[in-house]
Amino acid sequence: SQQGEEDPQALSIQEGENATMNCSYKTSINNLQWYRQNSGRGLVHLILIRSNEREKHSGRLRVTLDTSKKSSSLLITASRAADTASYFCATAATGTASKLTFGTGTRLQVTL
Amino acid sequence: DAGVTQSPTHLIKTRGQQVTLRCSPKSGHDTVSWYQQALGQGPQFIFQYYEEEERQRGNFPDRFSGHQFPNYSSELNVNALLLGDSPLYLCASSPPLAGASRETQYFGPGTRLLVL
Repeated sequence: SQQGEEDPQALSIQEGENATMNCSYKTSINNLQWYRQNSGRGLVHLILIRSNEREKHSGRLRVTLDTSKKSSSLLITASRAADTASYFCATAATGTASKLTFGTGTRLQVTL
Repeated sequence: DAGVTQSPTHLIKTRGQQVTLRCSPKSGHDTVSWYQQALGQGPQFIFQYYEEEERQRGNFPDRFSGHQFPNYSSELNVNALLLGDSPLYLCASSPPLAGASRETQYFGPGTRLLVL
């Protein structure tokens, strides 16, 4: 079963704009990760945030984590056409090392 | 440095047949996990292999089985294929981390299975 939900399910923006995706989950976690998937192929790891962290940056990516609300957000700044993909959050629950539970994904479309 | 590789990339089978999918982990990785991804959904965890043993398993029936070899490569076997077994199958490997969970997983390109 899916751990949580991403919101929105689909997002369409223009190049240069920022994209924000949200993820909610249900259980206590060790960490939360974001992955990108192009055209139904393999997933690419973007960023990992641990349960004791609140915010993390990597290049144009900014991730926040609110464990009290069991939610996370991924911000992509200055989006590019190459950012067009599906984005998934995945959680590693406490006590289940490295078994990842994925959300349903957000489909991002960046147009020129 | 080669990433995670999977074979075959595509496969067509008929209902009731058996299939074996293969995965070679990223160099230096010792843990392999398998996921099934239906169209429009996130991947779902099938099982994980470490030191040639199944360590964790998701909610999949016994028709799904696996194996890990001494070189850390892995196979996923699905018996008695059903029409619903047609999603994308993803393999992921993770590195050895002393005393900690293998947190970041590196995914292969997947095997697209079509059951007719």
